[in-house]
Amino acid sequence: DAGVIQSPRHEVTEMGQEVTLRCKPISGHNSLFWYRQTMMRGLELLIYFNNNVPIDDSGMPEDRFSAKMPNASFSTLKIQPSEPRDSAVYFCASRPVTDTQYFGPGTRLTVL
Amino acid sequence: QQQVKQSPQSLIVQKGGISIINCAYENTAFDYFPWYQQFPGKGPALLIAIRPDVSEKKEGRFTISFNKSAKQFSLHIMDSQPGDSATYFCAARGGYSTLTFGKGTMLLVSP
Repeated sequence: DAGVIQSPRHEVTEMGQEVTLRCKPISGHNSLFWYRQTMMRGLELLIYFNNNVPIDDSGMPEDRFSAKMPNASFSTLKIQPSEPRDSAVYFCASRPVTDTQYFGPGTRLTVL
Repeated sequence: QQQVKQSPQSLIVQKGGISIINCAYENTAFDYFPWYQQFPGKGPALLIAIRPDVSEKKEGRFTISFNKSAKQFSLHIMDSQPGDSATYFCAARGGYSTLTFGKGTMLLVSP
């Protein structure tokens, strides 16, 4: 099992550019989560999908952020336009029917 | 009411000592309490978890103590080792919803 796969691992972009983060959950997991981690705010849940359907997007900071899950094996988190305050580590996690949530290695985003 | 309050923010323990991290919650609907361990540059990984029907769960050197009436739970790391140096997050969840995480504790075990 390869675990949750995220790409890219590092992204450096300039303010105003579009950023797309990608996630491949563990096969067979039916829930997928996007988190943002910063020193100031810790781990924040951005959005949660169950069976590819967005269930809770109340953590999405603003309209510049959007997430999709077109199928059970792929999800994207898009920021458009990006701003310096979006700089953070973004984690994707997936969960089977049981309790355990598995995190990916994260994408470190730097917006200049 | 959804918050999970974690303390301390950082902790330094000598090798062989006991590391203790505490968490408190308000939502009585929470029924699953995991602890995650995160090393630099990695994603959080599940360390140990407990449900409120037991007061303690032990896995190797790691123990969760749970006090339902006080709405508190804690992680104890016995015989702490330098390899335990990491950030630890407590979390809580009610039903089949999402995890609410504490702010994290940076643990440094000095050799």
